[in-house]
Amino acid sequence: EVQLVESGGGLVKPGGSLRLSCAASGFTFSTYSMNWVRQAPGKGLEWVSSISSTSSYIYYADSVKDRFTISRDNAKNSLYLQMNSLRAEDTAVYYCASEMAAGYWGQGTLVTVSS
Amino acid sequence: DIVMTQSPESLAVSLGERATINCKSSQSVLHSSNNKNYLAWSQQKPGQPPKLLIYWASTRNSGVPDRFSGSGSGTDFTLTISSLQAEDVAVYYCHQYYSSPTFGQGTKLEIK
Repeated sequence: EVQLVESGGGLVKPGGSLRLSCAASGFTFSTYSMNWVRQAPGKGLEWVSSISSTSSYIYYADSVKDRFTISRDNAKNSLYLQMNSLRAEDTAVYYCASEMAAGYWGQGTLVTVSS
Repeated sequence: DIVMTQSPESLAVSLGERATINCKSSQSVLHSSNNKNYLAWSQQKPGQPPKLLIYWASTRNSGVPDRFSGSGSGTDFTLTISSLQAEDVAVYYCHQYYSSPTFGQGTKLEIK
């Protein structure tokens, strides 16, 4: 069974940092590109960042560029998102997701940025 | 960025009737190298992550009931639910993966 389990969310003050993790199992993680997608409360889905299977290609949404860093460890079947300089508008549920055509999604982890 | 525009924003359909959701991309998502449309449809119920229904514009994901179908090519796409069931109440998103993923704004489907 495919599983993606996110962790690391929580309440953080504006300007603070958080590191999200995503543990993958049930599929060959090292052969898939991966994404972080977020959803603000009551809003739609917003792509945040992508990383290719070997980390050769990395992309960010303009809204998070220069603040967030995506990475992966294929030996640990894990995906990460380092989030710095957090803002109120970064408040959202953050989903770890495989390449879109594969359709694997985690349950999400809530990040709340508030003073 | 490729902008995805869905219509309608909300839709109320009677049980057993057909539901149709449209999606338009700001540029073609048809890749000439493999003649595939990099377009997917996902369903999201409250408190749950999105669930992939359709990929490559018309390929049903494993386990998805055959009342769900996708069609279209290039910039215009449609998701059709042939006979609406109560469990189909959800928000539906189209999204492209031709370039960095972008999502439509969602269509809320309800029972009339």
